[in-house]
Amino acid sequence: AQSVTQPDIHITVSEGASLELRCNYSYGATPYLFWYVQSPGQGLQLLLKYFSGDTLVQGIKGFEAEFKRSQSSFNLRKPSVHWSDAAEYFCAVGVLRGGGNKLTFGTGTQLKVEL
Amino acid sequence: DTEVTQTPKHLVMGMTNKKSLKCEQHMGHRAMYWYKQKAKKPPELMFVYSYEKLSINESVPSRFSPECPNSSLLNLHLHALQPEDSALYLCASSQITRDRGREQYFGPGTRLTVT
Repeated sequence: AQSVTQPDIHITVSEGASLELRCNYSYGATPYLFWYVQSPGQGLQLLLKYFSGDTLVQGIKGFEAEFKRSQSSFNLRKPSVHWSDAAEYFCAVGVLRGGGNKLTFGTGTQLKVEL
Repeated sequence: DTEVTQTPKHLVMGMTNKKSLKCEQHMGHRAMYWYKQKAKKPPELMFVYSYEKLSINESVPSRFSPECPNSSLLNLHLHALQPEDSALYLCASSQITRDRGREQYFGPGTRLTVT
């Protein structure tokens, strides 16, 4: 069975500083990986996805992520954090099931941005 | 347009009430999902509909009854809920594909409180 681990429950960074959120996955085949962001009381917004090809993927809002098969990781990065980036971030692995695409989420990382 | 809409935004109901949550998408997606999200937790899959047919029920209690009247609409009928069912209920949609990487688009959610 697939699983996702986000080892950091909370992260605090200063505005303008760089950010890296960690994600490790476990899956027996080629993984399909996603990062979603959720503001309080809101739905999830897709930041970026990895299917195949270039291991460095670009997303919205200046985020990028790098897939490293050897480390089973898909870490999210941003060179300069803005106060509006404060939110909950979820990494997920997708598997085909029941005609749909079942997402297994990590437990999330809460990002706080200090002004 | 990548929008999934959900109504109502907030719902308070007693344990003997019957209510329904509604979800709509116009992206031509043929897979639709219901998730339940408790505070400080990742979303948990409840149901998957594929071509308007229920394809996955993640052992959800029968007091939750999903319905997919057409390819754009998804309902969740609620009856005799318990206070522990209070949560954010998220709807999502995606394309039908053998490619596991197809991303899901989430609605803003319905905040349900059972009194």
